[in-house]
Amino acid sequence: EPEVTQTPSHQVTQMGQEVILRCVPISNHLYFYWYRQILGQKVEFLVSFYNNEISEKSEIFDDQFSVERPDGSNFTLKIRSTKLEDSAMYFCASRGLNTGELFFGEGSRLTVL
Amino acid sequence: AQKVTQAQTEISVVEKEDVTLDCVYETRDTTYYLFWYKQPPSGELVFLIRRNSFDEQNEISGRYSWNFQKSTSSFNFTITASQVVDSAVYFCALSEARSGGYQKVTFGTGTKLQVIP
Repeated sequence: EPEVTQTPSHQVTQMGQEVILRCVPISNHLYFYWYRQILGQKVEFLVSFYNNEISEKSEIFDDQFSVERPDGSNFTLKIRSTKLEDSAMYFCASRGLNTGELFFGEGSRLTVL
Repeated sequence: AQKVTQAQTEISVVEKEDVTLDCVYETRDTTYYLFWYKQPPSGELVFLIRRNSFDEQNEISGRYSWNFQKSTSSFNFTITASQVVDSAVYFCALSEARSGGYQKVTFGTGTKLQVIP
């Protein structure tokens, strides 16, 4: 069964460092998303991406964040200068044209020290 | 703006009991989707069910059943004869259509279910 894959599964970084989280969505999906979940809290929408551009972004997704689809398969989330409060699980998701549900990857846990 | 409310923060039941997880939503759209996701202790988000706003039929899948009532804007989830493996956080989510086929999915705060052996 096709699935969304994310790397790394866990990354530890120092405050102020740049981090790139990578995602390979399901191959025929067209809509891509990043969500964030701070430990024990709700799953929060960060950004959605379609047709090579951002469709919508939340207040959390400030200038420190960016997304890119550098080739036909990868979808990346970059945090330019990490802060302590960026520590969270980051989930990538994708959705097909004719399906309503999002399929999530297993998440990338980011720990900022 | 869309909103999903899961008033139950944590529920504990003894194995084999039935349990219902509540979900109430708000939306101005007439076309939308509702979902339930399961997040086990391992952390991943597992899709359980999707329901579109035009289909109010209740659904049963094994021990799981869902009750969608537009009149009360609720989409409740019942687990019958609960098992320890059902212990997880369960999220209800709402998706509204946007232009170009894009949909934004908003999650509730989740209900942590603990099934005690």
